[in-house]
Amino acid sequence: LAKTTQPISMDSYEGQEVNITCSHNNIATNDYITWYQQFPSQGPRFIIQGYKTKVTNEVASLFIPADRKSSTLSLPRVSLSDTAVYYCLVLSGAGSYQLTFGKGTKLSVIP
Amino acid sequence: NAGVTQTPKFRVLKTGQSMTLLCAQDMNHEYMYWYRQDPGMGLRLIHYSVGEGTTAKGEVPDGYNVSRLKKQNFLLGLESAAPSQTSVYFCASNRRGVSTDTQYFGPGTRLTVL
Repeated sequence: LAKTTQPISMDSYEGQEVNITCSHNNIATNDYITWYQQFPSQGPRFIIQGYKTKVTNEVASLFIPADRKSSTLSLPRVSLSDTAVYYCLVLSGAGSYQLTFGKGTKLSVIP
Repeated sequence: NAGVTQTPKFRVLKTGQSMTLLCAQDMNHEYMYWYRQDPGMGLRLIHYSVGEGTTAKGEVPDGYNVSRLKKQNFLLGLESAAPSQTSVYFCASNRRGVSTDTQYFGPGTRLTVL
């Protein structure tokens, strides 16, 4: 499994765009980059997944450069309700079904 | 469609007591998982099941047992609780047995062992 590194915490004001970067230098050809979100006192929730370039859904965007050694989760115009822990996972599309969660990035949105 | 539900939400045990945590999903998923999350940490896999009647060990299985008698239910048992098992327990399920398939998590059970 490719190891991931992401900031422990980030602060942002309401209405700003937030970018959380994750590095995964040892990513393999079959690996996908996946982000989960966990609100306080809740289970994690899938946000977005991508393989290369850019992926966008109603919640976030995921930017992946050509070398795929890093990725950036972008949350547009955050609100207080976006305060959560965000986990970056590198998952094999052809192997284990096990998810390995690190400590994630704790995002605090300030009024 | 309730998704993944867990019972109970909270529980306090004394050392040596036993209990069973129930996880139920109504999405007809084949795969189910039990994780634990300690304060400030990520989730760690305890046990998982790839289908009715099958179970397997995850990363931290010691002190726990599981059963999957029905496809929709996955039970986690603690035979003799220890303070080190104080944690929040999450159940999850997904349709396909690959990690890239979204796992759906329950709301968690907060367990304290005194």
